[in-house]
Amino acid sequence: DGGITQSPKYLFRKEGQNVTLSCEQNLNHDAMYWYRQDPGQGLRLIYYSQIVNDFQKGDIAEGYSVSREKKESFPLTVTSAQKNPTAFYLCASSTGSYNEQFFGPGTRLTVL
Amino acid sequence: AQSVAQPEDQVNVAEGNPLTVKCTYSVSGNPYLFWYVQYPNRGLQFLLKYITGDNLVKGSYGFEAEFNKSQTSFHLKKPSALVSDSALYFCAVRPTSGTYKYIFGTGTRLKVLA
Repeated sequence: DGGITQSPKYLFRKEGQNVTLSCEQNLNHDAMYWYRQDPGQGLRLIYYSQIVNDFQKGDIAEGYSVSREKKESFPLTVTSAQKNPTAFYLCASSTGSYNEQFFGPGTRLTVL
Repeated sequence: AQSVAQPEDQVNVAEGNPLTVKCTYSVSGNPYLFWYVQYPNRGLQFLLKYITGDNLVKGSYGFEAEFNKSQTSFHLKKPSALVSDSALYFCAVRPTSGTYKYIFGTGTRLKVLA
């Protein structure tokens, strides 16, 4: 099956820890995205990548980092510099141009 | 600044009645427009898109949307609502110029009452 997967589904982080969220797609899409979803605030863009080995900051990149070493993978690291990381994180991909995005099932991160 | 507005946090409609979820946008040029649906603790699912052509776009699960350029709106509609349509709906816009960024509205929770 073609699709986009995220792991883990639930993640708990202690104060001061860095954690990495996985996102993998086998759709052969060029573009990949990370969003953060908080209640009542919709989706906010953290980082996006239009091509391998290149990525751009979104609207709320502070405290996060990404890499894009392979077309299929776009992991997100939530660093200890992110002061309020508890949220639902969504990864998406698209072919670019005018096409819709495909979303993963999400990772719910909770800071203990 | 480019933006998408969904003016209603929640829409309540009785089962069998028509539903409308509103979306207006402010972007330069001619945008690409999208609607997505999200069920609890899940990712977003694509419903439909407007790229060009006929202003009335038909999508999944009986949903349709009407593009109105003069009012910069892209309202989501369905002639007869089902209880299973209850979910969170997002409107999104991708400007035709520049990068591959998508701009999302804040979402509208649709509640269909039996």
